[in-house]
Amino acid sequence: DAGITQSPRHKVTETGTPVTLRCHQTENHRYMYWYRQDPGHGLRLIHYSYGVKDTDKGEVSDGYSVSRSKTEDFLLTLESATSSQTSVYFCAISDPQQGGFFGQGTRLTVV
Amino acid sequence: GENVEQHPSTLSVQEGDSAVIKCTYSDSASNYFPWYKQELGKGPQLIIDIRSNVGEKKDQRIAVTLNKTAKHFSLHITETQPEDSAVYFCAASKGDKLIFGTGTRLQVFP
Repeated sequence: DAGITQSPRHKVTETGTPVTLRCHQTENHRYMYWYRQDPGHGLRLIHYSYGVKDTDKGEVSDGYSVSRSKTEDFLLTLESATSSQTSVYFCAISDPQQGGFFGQGTRLTVV
Repeated sequence: GENVEQHPSTLSVQEGDSAVIKCTYSDSASNYFPWYKQELGKGPQLIIDIRSNVGEKKDQRIAVTLNKTAKHFSLHITETQPEDSAVYFCAASKGDKLIFGTGTRLQVFP
């Protein structure tokens, strides 16, 4: 498996609380991505990063923020979790126009 | 922006038969088209990809075809095996972002 690790793997949180998911890579890829996966929607891009402190929005960025202070770490924060953010979250690493590698996913439940 | 449609949403085949999954995209500038396989409880895994300067690519039992004029591309799996059972996603890209289809659940029955 490619060197990409997501933590935590599972989390249950309450509505209105902040939540941070972590993606860690050991492959030194410049690009890192956060997706959410929901039934009937496939994978939708939340935010991505093209370098340290360089980030941009994806299709479904509202309610999420990201930070990348080191090449190897990309953090996704739900500023105030809502039930609509219950989902499986995947991190991916790649170079542009390459298929890349996905992490194992984080299952987040907001109650 | 780019939109990718994928069909069918579910596909059941007998072991040994072929399976075909089709995707269409909207942005004619898209030039990179990967396919992923996702097994239960795991992240998607790249299985094959094709670029817009190529019409077909094969890797053992898997092949992908691209029709730029019609803006559609397809995944072909021959001699299917039970271990091919999974969810398959297509995607399209013209830059540094991928837009995914909604997935096809393939079941291969022994």
